[in-house]
Amino acid sequence: SQQGEEDPQALSIQEGENATMNCSYKTSINNLQWYRQNSGRGLVHLILIRSNEREKHSGRLRVTLDTSKKSSSLLITASRAADTASYFCAPFNTGFQKLVFGTGTRLLVSP
Amino acid sequence: DAMVIQNPRYQVTQFGKPVTLSCSQTLNHNVMYWYQQKSSQAPKLLFHYYDKDFNNEADTPDNFQSRRPNTSFCFLDIRSPGLGDAAMYLCATSRDRIGQPQHFGDGTRLSIL
Repeated sequence: SQQGEEDPQALSIQEGENATMNCSYKTSINNLQWYRQNSGRGLVHLILIRSNEREKHSGRLRVTLDTSKKSSSLLITASRAADTASYFCAPFNTGFQKLVFGTGTRLLVSP
Repeated sequence: DAMVIQNPRYQVTQFGKPVTLSCSQTLNHNVMYWYQQKSSQAPKLLFHYYDKDFNNEADTPDNFQSRRPNTSFCFLDIRSPGLGDAAMYLCATSRDRIGQPQHFGDGTRLSIL
């Protein structure tokens, strides 16, 4: 299956702490994307990492990709209450021509 | 700002009464997607349009149909909604189908009475 599986399912931390979420997948990929979804809203694209990249940064976000292990991680540094949301990974394979989202990691950041 | 807009945000319909959800985009993207998302679940792709070419997912029930009259608009029609169709319906766009990021609307939450 192309679907990514996020781990943990839920994560609760204090403001200022770092949050790490993991994603595993089973097929080969061309890229892997991370999205955030606030409660009752649509998904927002956060970052895209290509299969030939190992690490990518965007502001407080750091994404790593290990294609040999078929896994990716999303690190949010110095988390804020506003980071409270669900986070989804979506592996992309050109052959499927679509994203398949996992059930996500629900992150709760307490003030 | 270029964006994806879904109307209405909340829709209530009766069991078996047809309902249409709408999506518009100002991004001029070639691809428009419809997802169904139930509580605490993954968004599930129902179908997508690549320009005028309709692409249905194999497990999408026949009860769900879609129309794309032009580049900017796409509609989701549910012919005879059942209680199991209560969900958030998300519209998304992308420039092409080669792995670019998708841009989502804020969804329509559908309730069935």
